[in-house]
Amino acid sequence: KQEVTQIPAALSVPEGENLVLNCSFTDSAIYNLQWFRQDPGKGLTSLLLIQSSQREQTSGRLNASLDKSSGRSTLYIAASQPGDSATYLCAVKDDYKLSFGAGTTVTVRA
Amino acid sequence: DAGVIQSPRHEVTEMGQEVTLRCKPISGHNSLFWYRQTMMRGLELLIYFNNNVPIDDSGMPEDRFSAKMPNASFSTLKIQPSEPRDSAVYFCASKQTGGSGELFFGEGSRLTVL
Repeated sequence: KQEVTQIPAALSVPEGENLVLNCSFTDSAIYNLQWFRQDPGKGLTSLLLIQSSQREQTSGRLNASLDKSSGRSTLYIAASQPGDSATYLCAVKDDYKLSFGAGTTVTVRA
Repeated sequence: DAGVIQSPRHEVTEMGQEVTLRCKPISGHNSLFWYRQTMMRGLELLIYFNNNVPIDDSGMPEDRFSAKMPNASFSTLKIQPSEPRDSAVYFCASKQTGGSGELFFGEGSRLTVL
């Protein structure tokens, strides 16, 4: 069974600092990995999707890397802003099923 | 596109009552998922439909839970009878089979069973 771990569980940084969020998974036979953002009381918003054949994916200030062999992904958020405060979840897809980590709750202090 | 639409957004009910949650997936998406989110257990997959057919319902907690997808644009998740431990946020998500595999979520239905 796929196990997905996100460390740390919570993170607080001053505005402008770069954010580094980690995700690890136990079974490297994945199809893709997806990073989501969840605001309190809201659904999950897809941020980035990395296919298993890719090493990284970028969108604006966000960059996600994938090292499938070591079972790791990292989400980088450059020059953080208070609006980046949210919970970030990673999910790995094997076959049709997504397995989610518990998330990292980020607070960006103004 | 309006995205995945769920209703109701909030439901408060008493133990023993029947609860029906509804979902309209994104048009053209033929895979639909129901997830449950709690503080203790995070996001758990309850059931997965492909082309309106249930493929994996191994995550459905017990017989009190049932899900249907009568057509490509509508799905329901029913709990009968409801119990306080069913209190959670229930999410519906959809994607195209094949393609990039990107999954899109609705805003969720927050259920409180008293």
